[in-house]
Amino acid sequence: QLQLQESGPGLVKPSETLSLTCTVSGGSISGSSHYWAWIRQPPGKGLEWIGSMYYNWKTYYNPSLKSRVTISVDASKNQFSLNLTSVTAADAAVYYCAMQPLGSFPADWGQGTLVTVSS
Amino acid sequence: EIVLTQSPATLSLSPGDRATLSCRASQSVSSLLAWYQQRSGQAPRLLIYDASNRATGIPARFSGSGSGTDFTLTISSLEPEDFAVYYCQQRSNWPWTFGQGTKVEIK
Repeated sequence: QLQLQESGPGLVKPSETLSLTCTVSGGSISGSSHYWAWIRQPPGKGLEWIGSMYYNWKTYYNPSLKSRVTISVDASKNQFSLNLTSVTAADAAVYYCAMQPLGSFPADWGQGTLVTVSS
Repeated sequence: EIVLTQSPATLSLSPGDRATLSCRASQSVSSLLAWYQQRSGQAPRLLIYDASNRATGIPARFSGSGSGTDFTLTISSLEPEDFAVYYCQQRSNWPWTFGQGTKVEIK
């Protein structure tokens, strides 16, 4: 069974870059039938899809964040990453990574990691 | 961007009651809609995909229906573990979007 685990700093200063990594175990990140996604949830609020990466490494970003977001992959480590630049308090959230099968919805999620934005 | 509006915001029910949750899309999403359950402090859990298909391991008391712009999640008889927040999500048009959630609480 696929397992995903987010990691990264829990505290980021305003205007700096938030960097998170998702480590995938139980399967290859290079599989041809998956999207790899980042989704976030501000405390006490709803869910927001940040972006997705397809198996051929093509990326799709939410237009609301597109100018600040980069999703990348390190296939040798079976990891994919999220970079979000110029963070503000509005970027404080629990960040989830997830695997979305092609033509379906994400059933495999990481446990989430809380990121606080504060100086 | 497709906006998903869930109603009601909160549903106060007792164990054994039937729960009916609604999700309305601002434009047609065909059947490309899912429902998730989120318990406090946990990641969302996929319940229903493509409007009416139960995900692996999901009990039969959960069912989904609808197409186009109007969708319903029904829990036929609430178990104690079903009290949680439920979200709908579409994958018809990018960006994929979620509803704002319905909280099912114990009455």
